[in-house]
Amino acid sequence: ELKVEQNPLFLSMQEGKNYTIYCNYSTTSDRLYWYRQDPGKSLESLFVLLSNGAVKQEGRLMASLDTKARLSTLHITAAVHDLSATYFCAYSKGGGSQGNLIFGKGTKLSVKP
Amino acid sequence: DTGVSQNPRHKITKRGQNVTFRCDPISEHNRLYWYRQTLGQGPEFLTYFQNEAQLEKSRLLSDRFSAERPKGSFSTLEIQRTEQGDSAMYLCASSLWEDVNEKLFFGSGTQLSVL
Repeated sequence: ELKVEQNPLFLSMQEGKNYTIYCNYSTTSDRLYWYRQDPGKSLESLFVLLSNGAVKQEGRLMASLDTKARLSTLHITAAVHDLSATYFCAYSKGGGSQGNLIFGKGTKLSVKP
Repeated sequence: DTGVSQNPRHKITKRGQNVTFRCDPISEHNRLYWYRQTLGQGPEFLTYFQNEAQLEKSRLLSDRFSAERPKGSFSTLEIQRTEQGDSAMYLCASSLWEDVNEKLFFGSGTQLSVL
């Protein structure tokens, strides 16, 4: 079965703190995506990770990929309120359609002052 | 606005009626995807087109669902004889096949409510 497990599903954190969201996926894949979704809005692409050991950083967010462990992490450094959103990881089934993505249920992040 | 555009934003219909949604992708993108998202869940893949050819359909796409992409530009998703279980956000995304990352750009979605 193709599936993605994210944890935690809900995360409440204080501004200035660090935390990590974990994403485990069930089959081998050559790419892993992280998306952000604000309430009532569409998905915004954050990172595309293409190989084992890949690490990408944008502002306070850093994503990494371990294909052997089938694990990706999204690390949040010194959280600010603007990061409050739902974060999804997704992996590609690959083959002819890299865009056929299997999404996790999302991690709802709330950053409080 | 050069993003992915979806219309309508909201659709309320009665059970048994037919509905049609439209998606206009980013103009140079040759791949177009339809996803469905229910409350508290991640998006689920429905189908995708490369240019005008529909190349893959999910098992979620029952016979009541049909999608088209004439001329490889905009796409429509039609649901016939709607059921309450069809209530969801329908998301369209587009991408450029030649992009090694194949980053998907999502539209704002059409929220369907079946009464």
